[in-house]
Amino acid sequence: GESVGLHLPTLSVQEGDNSIINCAYSNSASDYFIWYKQESGKGPQFIIDIRSNMDKRQGQRVTVLLNKTVKHLSLQIAATQPGDSAVYFCAERESGGYNKLIFGAGTRLAVHP
Amino acid sequence: DGGITQSPKYLFRKEGQNVTLSCEQNLNHDAMYWYRQDPGQGLRLIYYSQIVNDFQKGDIAEGYSVSREKKESFPLTVTSAQKNPTAFYLCATQTGGERGYAEAFFGQGTRLTVV
Repeated sequence: GESVGLHLPTLSVQEGDNSIINCAYSNSASDYFIWYKQESGKGPQFIIDIRSNMDKRQGQRVTVLLNKTVKHLSLQIAATQPGDSAVYFCAERESGGYNKLIFGAGTRLAVHP
Repeated sequence: DGGITQSPKYLFRKEGQNVTLSCEQNLNHDAMYWYRQDPGQGLRLIYYSQIVNDFQKGDIAEGYSVSREKKESFPLTVTSAQKNPTAFYLCATQTGGERGYAEAFFGQGTRLTVV
């Protein structure tokens, strides 16, 4: 498959543990944030999103936390499974303009049995 | 089968050649985007289009060109002016959503290699 992100930071976790992936975003004016999962050789897939008027949002096995004070976003994955192994990107949308998403560099999650 | 189709999956280009990457969608989304992805980096925006017959340069448009003659199609041409075209190219679409709060949907990408 494709080697997307050869030099990305890697988070290694044991199967069954919880994972926390962090992202520092750049623009205090951003009002919408998205987490994407990208498997090798594939396009990114939507995981969960959050608007800037919220500080927490939960999905199935995933939780996104937003701290606007320090411009920090995190993705928590509960009971991490081997299928969660992928590169995870956060994206931010700048408010007031076009719906342009700005992507972070990504973090590789490696799940070990 | 709804979604975004990028073709080809792999593309090889000789130096000095122009090549065109195809992106077709049947999601009826107004906005379409082209991103470039290099190892160790996030996605960088090349061009985007909000409506038919309109498109705007992104952050790294030099050496690329696009057209948007139909809502369903947003082809990207990598010209010989692009000095380092080897990369993974991703096409995305986005619906307007409630006040624009809408995620982008991605195709499966085209891997372009200069030989």
